[in-house]
Amino acid sequence: NAGVTQTPKFQVLKTGQSMTLQCAQDMNHNSMYWYRQDPGMGLRLIYYSASEGTTDKGEVPNGYNVSRLNKREFSLRLESAAPSQTSVYFCASSEELREVEQYFGPGTRLTVT
Amino acid sequence: GDSVTQMEGPVTLSEEAFLTINCTYTATGYPSLFWYVQYPGEGLQLLLKATKADDKGSNKGFEATYRKETTSFHLEKGSVQVSDSAVYFCALSRLGNEKLTFGTGTRLTIIP
Repeated sequence: NAGVTQTPKFQVLKTGQSMTLQCAQDMNHNSMYWYRQDPGMGLRLIYYSASEGTTDKGEVPNGYNVSRLNKREFSLRLESAAPSQTSVYFCASSEELREVEQYFGPGTRLTVT
Repeated sequence: GDSVTQMEGPVTLSEEAFLTINCTYTATGYPSLFWYVQYPGEGLQLLLKATKADDKGSNKGFEATYRKETTSFHLEKGSVQVSDSAVYFCALSRLGNEKLTFGTGTRLTIIP
């Protein structure tokens, strides 16, 4: 039981490049989330998926797209990376959307130059 | 909107010292309150939670009591260890708001 896994762990992009961050969970959870963590700002929700086949915007969705590929996987895509997207990205999951406890992956550290 | 305010860090303590990390919140209704911990190089883990006023959450020697009258959820531990060095996040959630609202985090370093 690996919990929530994320790939890659580290990534450096040039401005304008695109990439997809991958997330998978093996806990049979319905809901999944993408957060970004910036110094002094805590975690901010980018997008979430209440259940397979649905996605919704969070607090800071601009510049990102997501895909809930199946119940296990939830990917985050940067179409044209900008330096402002330099951050640590965390994926999380929970049994249901309003379940109080979320389980987090180890994070992806992204630098955009 | 909902918000969480934590004491700014970093906090540095000697081993076996008493720890308090302050957390206050603003939210309508009756939120659930959480402390998450992030160890170096890892994702966040739930440390403890409380879902109604006067509840006390506890885990690994840490405690926090949900005080509705002061809108607070301060984290305490009687005797910290080097292994407690981490970043601690206070957070809340409530029915009708489909996300956790996090504080900015407090970095704790324990020196032997």
